[in-house]
Amino acid sequence: QQQVKQSPQSLIVQKGGISIINCAYENTAFDYFPWYQQFPGKGPALLIAIRPDVSEKKEGRFTISFNKSAKQFSLHIMDSQPGDSATYFCAASKTSGSRLTFGEGTQLTVNP
Amino acid sequence: NAGVTQTPKFRILKIGQSMTLQCTQDMNHNYMYWYRQDPGMGLKLIYYSVGAGITDKGEVPNGYNVSRSTTEDFPLRLELAAPSQTSVYFCASSYSRGYNEQFFGPGTRLTVL
Repeated sequence: QQQVKQSPQSLIVQKGGISIINCAYENTAFDYFPWYQQFPGKGPALLIAIRPDVSEKKEGRFTISFNKSAKQFSLHIMDSQPGDSATYFCAASKTSGSRLTFGEGTQLTVNP
Repeated sequence: NAGVTQTPKFRILKIGQSMTLQCTQDMNHNYMYWYRQDPGMGLKLIYYSVGAGITDKGEVPNGYNVSRSTTEDFPLRLELAAPSQTSVYFCASSYSRGYNEQFFGPGTRLTVL
């Protein structure tokens, strides 16, 4: 019940295209959904996060879409750039909890 | 601020050896975490701490031990290393629980042969 499922495992997009990564969760008590970005040889870093009181959150070219009834959320990267090439992790937690549950990760490659 | 620092960056262990992975944060965060990252498996929580003197198990604690004697330090101990512990280990910290951002260190790549 604590799982977060992420897809696809890898994604190749052309420069200027839209990258879409999807996540699904099981625990209905989760109420905080962050996305972390990890470049090779580095630790993950928070990219953007959403609470379930809104269906969408946008920060620059990055947008989270959230569907509470389907227990799904997704990351959209508009106008993808080679510098966006990284591994992306979705995660979920309870705001009252102490720990994040991470998805399996998506390796994004943006070709020039 | 150095943030979260981890040592060593790389280490090769023989089966049965022991070692301690060091983690220090200078942000006065209460919460600290240890994760392991394996290809295609995401980040799995090993242990976490909500303050000095308080630790708790995560998803994959077997073969590891932790202690938290100060706010700044959260070392991870591997006893009797096994090939299954070959992984990249990340330490992280956050100010508080739930929706607070976790700040990650640069990781330690461990190989057990």
